[in-house]
Amino acid sequence: AQTVTQSQPEMSVQEAETVTLSCTYDTSESDYYLFWYKQPPSRQMILVIRQEAYKQQNATENRFSVNFQKAAKSFSLKISDSQLGDAAMYFCAYRSAGPGGKLIFGQGTELSVKP
Amino acid sequence: KAGVTQTPRYLIKTRGQQVTLSCSPISGHRSVSWYQQTPGQGLQFLFEYFSETQRNKGNFPGRFSGRQFSNSRSEMNVSTLELGDSALYLCASSFDPSGTSGINEQFFGPGTRLTVL
Repeated sequence: AQTVTQSQPEMSVQEAETVTLSCTYDTSESDYYLFWYKQPPSRQMILVIRQEAYKQQNATENRFSVNFQKAAKSFSLKISDSQLGDAAMYFCAYRSAGPGGKLIFGQGTELSVKP
Repeated sequence: KAGVTQTPRYLIKTRGQQVTLSCSPISGHRSVSWYQQTPGQGLQFLFEYFSETQRNKGNFPGRFSGRQFSNSRSEMNVSTLELGDSALYLCASSFDPSGTSGINEQFFGPGTRLTVL
């Protein structure tokens, strides 16, 4: 069975600074997808960024980028130029390739942004 | 396009009762997944429906069931409620036109907050 681990329950960053959230996963599959979701206090889950395992190039979305290390089974999220609106719970998630929408989530990292 | 909607948003029930939650996916989306979120267990996958068929199932007891209608709307039912069923129940829909999922994004609804007394 696949597992996702986020070892940082809480993180804090100064506004305009950069922060990296860690995520490791365990799987025996070679093809899969990885995601970072953001859940603000409203509880609305929002997709931040996605990565296909077969792609070596790290995904980027504006101020958000990932460091995907397939061999190490690591998938960290870097947030540059942090903004107050980035404060939220961040979840790393895994999904097997092939039919089916089952997401396996990590326990989450609560990010606070200090002005 | 309207987002994923879930009704009701809040629900209070007592132990032993049953409850039905509803999810309306984004128009055109054929896949609907359900998740349970609790402080202790985090986000856990309940089941997924695609074209009215259950395609995936998580490790929950048989008290948790669901279904999907021809218009892709989905319902989940929890029978004989227990205190531990208190949670935020999230529904997510995905386009998935080919049925192979791919990296299609799952769009989440705002959730239904269920409290069992």
